[in-house]
This record gives sequence, C-alpha cells and structure tokens, in this order.
Amino acid sequence: GENVEQHPSTLSVQEGDSAVIKCTYSDSASNYFPWYKQELGKGPQLIIDIRSNVGEKKDQRIAVTLNKTAKHFSLHITETQPEDSAVYFCAASTPLQNSGYSTLTFGKGTMLLVSP
Amino acid sequence: DAGVTQSPTHLIKTRGQQVTLRCSPKSGHDTVSWYQQALGQGPQFIFQYYEEEERQRGNFPDRFSGHQFPNYSSELNVNALLLGDSALYLCASSYTGVRYGYTFGSGTRLTVV
Repeated sequence: GENVEQHPSTLSVQEGDSAVIKCTYSDSASNYFPWYKQELGKGPQLIIDIRSNVGEKKDQRIAVTLNKTAKHFSLHITETQPEDSAVYFCAASTPLQNSGYSTLTFGKGTMLLVSP
Repeated sequence: DAGVTQSPTHLIKTRGQQVTLRCSPKSGHDTVSWYQQALGQGPQFIFQYYEEEERQRGNFPDRFSGHQFPNYSSELNVNALLLGDSALYLCASSYTGVRYGYTFGSGTRLTVV
C-alpha cells in the first residue's frame, strides 16, 4: 500500500519567517495530495490540496508544490503568524484498481511553532 | 450548514467492553470514512462506507466494525476493547470519493482503562 513520509516532525520559526514541510509518497498511482492543519482538540482541517496534473498551487500565504517524478510534495507557508502554530499533515490519495474511489494515507505530522 | 458531527466527544471504557461511536456527515456528502489517530501520529484509515456498504478496509482487526444508515450517518463499533485502542477516532465525509476532499469531524477521544 501507499506510504507517506513527512519531515520535519517539529519546526520552530520566528514570526514573519517562511516554513517548509516536505512529504514523499511511494505509490505512483496516487493522484491527489491534500494538506491538513490540526489544532489541539480539533479534527484536521483542509488548508490546500493539489492534484497530480498540477505542479504548483497557491492560496494567499500558503503554497503547495508537487514533483510527480520524484514522488514528493511540499507545503510552503510565508510570513508565518503565531496563529499558524498547529500540527500539519500531508496525505496522498490512491485510487483503487477498477473502482471510482480511493482513500487517504497520512504522514505522521509536523508540529509547527511560530514564535512572536 | 453543519459540518461533520461526531458523538460523544469523550468516552472512557474498561478493557473488554464494547463501544459505539457515531457520525453525521456534512450535508450533501454520501461517503463516510473512519480514522484512528493515536497520540502524536497521523490518522490511520479504518474503513469507508458508501451506499450502506463497507467498500474498503484498512489494516484493522474484525473487532472494528461499522454501519452506514440510509441518511448517510454512520457508526463505528469496537468490541473487546484493548488499552491500545485508546485514540482519537475521526470521521470524515466526502462526496463520491476523496477527489473532492474530506471534511473531518472533531473526533471522539476514547480512553480505555
């Protein structure tokens, strides 16, 4: 099955700096890559996603890049703010053979701490 | 528009007992997936329900079972609870597959003592 590796496990930055989280996946059939933010006591919240036919996507201070050849994708957060502090998860969606559906495999998460 | 609703929010059970967790999907969603998130880990896929049938299952024992009702709500049942079943159980709903993105509930925190 699919395996998603995520690095780093923790990331500390100063407010205003940029943060980068990287993930690799193993199954070349994976075709959808969402990123989730999870705050304490809450469920994961989708913050951005990218499909396999796109190399980069940006939404205000957040961007995601995808390199299908190398099987890796990254989350970039610019001008970080204290409220960005949370755990971030990458995930990969792998369609099942001969079916129209798929499920998500998650990385282990990155705890981002933004200091004022 | 309500998102995904899970109940209860917290639960304490004794080893060997059985537990039922409930999930109401986001309006318009027809697929429900359940995930187990151990402390400090990413969510692990348990199973997915669509049209009241389990259509995919992760690497979890048969002690974990589920059900989906005609209104798309779902239940997760765990029998013969073990200490290792202590985790946050997340329900995620989507429309005809994950390509359209999951919406997660806030989860049920299960503690087995």
